[in-house]
Order: sequence, then C-alpha cells, then structure tokens
Amino acid sequence: DTGVSQDPRHKITKRGQNVTFRCDPISEHNRLYWYRQTLGQGPEFLTYFQNEAQLEKSRLLSDRFSAERPKGSFSTLEIQRTEQGDSAMYLCASSLSDNPEQYFGPGTRLTVT
Amino acid sequence: DQQVKQNSPSLSVQEGRISILNCDYTNSMFDYFLWYKKYPAEGPTFLISISSIKDKNEDGRFTVFLNKSAKHLSLHIVPSQPGDSAVYFCAAATNAGKSTFGDGTTLTVKP
Repeated sequence: DTGVSQDPRHKITKRGQNVTFRCDPISEHNRLYWYRQTLGQGPEFLTYFQNEAQLEKSRLLSDRFSAERPKGSFSTLEIQRTEQGDSAMYLCASSLSDNPEQYFGPGTRLTVT
Repeated sequence: DQQVKQNSPSLSVQEGRISILNCDYTNSMFDYFLWYKKYPAEGPTFLISISSIKDKNEDGRFTVFLNKSAKHLSLHIVPSQPGDSAVYFCAAATNAGKSTFGDGTTLTVKP
C-alpha cells in the first residue's frame, strides 16, 4: 500500500463552478477525514467518516460542501458554486478507529479565480 | 475560539542543539496529543503522540511532555538535525478520532 492518495493535486476553477476531489485512503483504514488548510494555519476539520457513515460535519462547512464515502473505501468532496474564499489546500487523512494517528495525503490545492 | 495554540510561529536552532516546540490547549476533554511534521508540498506526517494519562513519551530523538494542569505540551528534539527543518503541528484528539490542530511552528535547524 502506497499510502493516502488524492486527485487531482491541483485544481484551478472559475468562481461559480463546481469541483470534486477524490481521496483514496490506506486500504485497511476505516476512518477517513477531510481538512482544509490555508496559508499560515493548521489543518481545519471539515468532516469525517467511519466506514461509509459520515459521523461529524464541521459547523463551518456551508451547504455548498458535500462529502461521500459510498462503499467505505474512497471518498469524494464536492464544492458547489465555488467562491474565492474556497481557495485552499484540501487534505484527506485516514486512520484506524482505535488509533488517533492519522495518515495524510498530499492534498489538493484549489484556486478559485 | 482556538482550542490548540502554538504561540511561536518560528524557531531557529543550531545543529546538534535541542529544539523545544510548545503547544497550549484549552479543552480538558482531549484524550490524545500528537505532533505532526510537514514538508513543503506534502501532507503532514505523524511524528509522536501521548495519551492524556501519561506525562512523557519518547521515541528516539523525539520526546513529548504533557503537563495537564497547565494544559501544555512540548516536543523536544535532541540532537537537532538539518533534516528536521519543517513545519511542526501540534494536534489534540478525542477518542472519537477528530483532531484539532494548532497553526504550526516552522523549525529551522542551521548546519
């Protein structure tokens, strides 16, 4: 297993467009997390799944954001009607449910013009 | 309301000396505390963790100390090496798994 992968690594989009990111976690990990990181700040929690169930979603996450993990393996994060303020690095991480250590992917850098 | 704070944005030390990175938290319900290291263009990488029931955990050159009464933890790197130069994030987690991160400290180890 090569670790957590994310696709694409970079995305440039125009304001108002929809974007979708994919995350493939470490295969035996049942938890999957999405974070957002902006320059000079730490990763900010967005949502997480245990298997296919979405267990928590940040209050900061607007209705334009949705995430799925349909079969408990890979996950997608969709942002509808993107805004310039959505420009950030979107990080995915995975872990085992009995272990607080998270393994991060390289991130998807989103630029909204 | 930032629950995890790293008050030093940067730290510079000489190779071979000790690096001490600090972190403060406000929520006494956290069960675990973790340190992650991040290089440019990569995601954070887990470094070391400590359970809330312990006060010290050591792994090679890295030691984490937890002072629950002060709600403070620190990461000691001895001896520091140029390859340790990176951004270090402190994180606090509950048993539910969600982690809250500080804003990071950029460590520079000078040869």
